[in-house]
Amino acid sequence: ETGVTQTPRHLVMGMTNKKSLKCEQHLGHNAMYWYKQSAKKPLELMFVYNFKEQTENNSVPSRFSPECPNSSHLFLHLHTLQPEDSALYLCASSQAQSRGLAGTGELFFGEGSRLTVL
Amino acid sequence: KNEVEQSPQNLTAQEGEFITINCSYSVGISALHWLQQHPGGGIVSLFMLSSGKKKHGRLIATINIQEKHSSLHITASHPRDSAVYICAGTGGGTYKYIFGTGTRLKVLA
Repeated sequence: ETGVTQTPRHLVMGMTNKKSLKCEQHLGHNAMYWYKQSAKKPLELMFVYNFKEQTENNSVPSRFSPECPNSSHLFLHLHTLQPEDSALYLCASSQAQSRGLAGTGELFFGEGSRLTVL
Repeated sequence: KNEVEQSPQNLTAQEGEFITINCSYSVGISALHWLQQHPGGGIVSLFMLSSGKKKHGRLIATINIQEKHSSLHITASHPRDSAVYICAGTGGGTYKYIFGTGTRLKVLA
């Protein structure tokens, strides 16, 4: 139990569906992240929220849309995905030292949401 | 070529063996992290170190800043150590974690 909870753990969706991934952290952290993990590739940073503000969008296609309503919740809205988007999506949180320095603290990961796009 | 390279990519060991996983990096970092990912997918942080050596139970992590190299050692390995071990660098003027591709370890009983 890392204090970061992701739902659902598994998701299968068609290319025309709209779904959302949810992440909740109970650690009092002020920075949250979405990562994508594909087979045999390093973890890829997708989005960073620092003090509820999006501070990083790592050239992610617009079919992925993040939302951070408060410092303990993070969503990833999915629509019109492609089969190559099938991957493990990991949420993480950390305690940033100050605004603009998200990620300087230790990362705590959720269990991940395994997404399959048919 | 990744900025953080790990070796080996895959490793199979017998229970009780001493295991070493290596990590080399080509970018400036202020901290090096070792992470463990179990088959279910969740990732747990094992160590964060910026110099010297840290020990936690049967796990030991070392870093040589000058050589830009870190090692993770597992003593008296056990099948429950089977997982993917990932090293990552942070700092050097950026908050981003730079991840290696991971080392898949299987410990046989």
